[in-house]
Amino acid sequence: GQSLEQPSEVTAVEGAIVQINCTYQTSGFYGLSWYQQHDGGAPTFLSYNALDGLEETGRFSSFLSRSDSYGYLLLQELQMKDSASYFCAVYTSGTYKYIFGTGTRLKVLA
Amino acid sequence: DTEVTQTPKHLVMGMTNKKSLKCEQHMGHRAMYWYKQKAKKPPELMFVYSYEKLSINESVPSRFSPECPNSSLLNLHLHALQPEDSALYLCASSQAPGDEQYFGPGTRLTVT
Repeated sequence: GQSLEQPSEVTAVEGAIVQINCTYQTSGFYGLSWYQQHDGGAPTFLSYNALDGLEETGRFSSFLSRSDSYGYLLLQELQMKDSASYFCAVYTSGTYKYIFGTGTRLKVLA
Repeated sequence: DTEVTQTPKHLVMGMTNKKSLKCEQHMGHRAMYWYKQKAKKPPELMFVYSYEKLSINESVPSRFSPECPNSSLLNLHLHALQPEDSALYLCASSQAPGDEQYFGPGTRLTVT
């Protein structure tokens, strides 16, 4: 089967750095994306990795290791507004489907 | 314009009703998607339209019927739904299949 596993919940304080991991098992792989979803809102795109390495976009960075089928999202200088659910997602070359991970709920404490 | 719009925002319907959800984008995207999302769960892919043709149907029950009238519009026709179909229904679009997706705000559906 195809799966993307994430920790269910992560808690951190304002100003801290937090890492959200994603391990995937899929039939074919084009790239790993990350989405943020606030309660009651729609998912919004954060970042995309097609190749191994680190991609940086402001306070957010995303890493991919294709050989380990693993990636992570790094959030720096946490703010209260970062409290949300974060999903990794893979577009599979075998089935041409976009599959979302199990999701990680991030709670940022004051 | 980087917005995907969905109507209605909320919908309550009985199990014998027929209703439709609508989605629109004007970004020139050629792939459009319907997702179903239950509380505290990831979005589940239902349908994919690529260049206005249905390319993926994730074994969705026939009481859900998608339609793509043109490259900007996507509809989801609902008929004889069950209470377990209550969920947030999200529409998304992307430049091409596999590209980053832009999501609409969703329709919160309650089936009574």
